[in-house]
Amino acid sequence: NAGVTQTPKFRVLKTGQSMTLLCAQDMNHEYMYWYRQDPGMGLRLIHYSVGEGTTAKGEVPDGYNVSRLKKQNFLLGLESAAPSQTSVYFCASSYELVGLKGNQPQHFGDGTRLSIL
Amino acid sequence: QQQVKQSPQSLIVQKGGISIINCAYENTAFDYFPWYQQFPGKGPALLIAIRPDVSEKKEGRFTISFNKSAKQFSLHIMDSQPGDSATYFCAASFNDYKLSFGAGTTVTVRA
Repeated sequence: NAGVTQTPKFRVLKTGQSMTLLCAQDMNHEYMYWYRQDPGMGLRLIHYSVGEGTTAKGEVPDGYNVSRLKKQNFLLGLESAAPSQTSVYFCASSYELVGLKGNQPQHFGDGTRLSIL
Repeated sequence: QQQVKQSPQSLIVQKGGISIINCAYENTAFDYFPWYQQFPGKGPALLIAIRPDVSEKKEGRFTISFNKSAKQFSLHIMDSQPGDSATYFCAASFNDYKLSFGAGTTVTVRA
């Protein structure tokens, strides 16, 4: 049971380059999320999706784009990488809300460590 | 601006001791408060969670204490073990799917 799989695990980019991070989940979850983790700042939500074909902005969306063409995949794109985007990126997924008091934990991948020079 | 403030940034505890991590929030609409545990090189994983209609929840050696009037909640790790060495994040949400995370606390348990 793979859960949430992120590729690649590591990447080094030059300023201005573009790349796409891939997240795949095999739990049939409706909701998917992209976070970035920086020292002393915890995890901050970049974009999220509440179902196939939908995306929405999170707390720190600038400089990133996302797509959810298939339910199991959530892609995060950097169009023109900047040093400030050096971070560890985590993808997560969860079931949809169950009633008003649904308690659905988010399941995280193991992260992509991205360095931008 | 973080909506959930977490302290301390790091702590060291002896094996068998108690680790205490504190979090505070401002948004009174928050109604779900989970704690996530993260080991080096891995993603966070849900450890324990609480809703504001209870003041305490215990699962094994891990206990959440919740003070609604003070808008604070804390994680207590009893009988700390070396395997508990990890980074712990508190979080909060008001709709069960968008989480606001604290900055994290790195716990080191010395044998």
